[in-house]
Amino acid sequence: NAGVTQTPKFRVLKTGQSMTLLCAQDMNHEYMYWYRQDPGMGLRLIHYSVGEGTTAKGEVPDGYNVSRLKKQNFLLGLESAAPSQTSVYFCASSARDSLFPLHFGNGTRLTVT
Amino acid sequence: GEDVEQSLFLSVREGDSSVINCTYTDSSSTYLYWYKQEPGAGLQLLTYIFSNMDMKQDQRLTVLLNKKDKHLSLRIADTQTGDSAIYFCAESMGAGNMLTFGGGTRLMVKP
Repeated sequence: NAGVTQTPKFRVLKTGQSMTLLCAQDMNHEYMYWYRQDPGMGLRLIHYSVGEGTTAKGEVPDGYNVSRLKKQNFLLGLESAAPSQTSVYFCASSARDSLFPLHFGNGTRLTVT
Repeated sequence: GEDVEQSLFLSVREGDSSVINCTYTDSSSTYLYWYKQEPGAGLQLLTYIFSNMDMKQDQRLTVLLNKKDKHLSLRIADTQTGDSAIYFCAESMGAGNMLTFGGGTRLMVKP
């Protein structure tokens, strides 16, 4: 029962570097999401996807790009990392829209120096 | 706009009841949720309540909804050390809308 798997678990970047966070789900879920979690601010939605080949902006999309080429994978890219992007990133999926339970990965802790 | 607020911290003794509170601003919220986050893990759905309900009970968990005051609470009876976690409330305006999360309440249970 893998559920939602995120890689990597930890990463340190220098300002200006790029990286891609990978999310994979094995539940055949239609919807996938990327959130960032910052102390006291809860989870803020970065981008989401309602199905293979689709993406949409969330609350805080600037500085990030996403792709959903395969139904089971949702990639989050940082083209030029900034210290403000230091955060814990969570991927989630749901069978249909967000009325269905969200299943979360264990997070990726990213530090940008 | 949407805003969901929670207190940051709650400390209780093992065996006591815990009450975690949440306020929201959007009266058109149709579904309200409680998620639990244990250390080093993602969030897990604990329970939810539809806006046409006042109360929902699920074993040790009781959810109370006061629509007039836009106030949601989660009561955990007989709190155990394993209940130590961060609890997030979240609201949804219905199908097709994304969840809005509160900032989370860290529950510490002392033995």
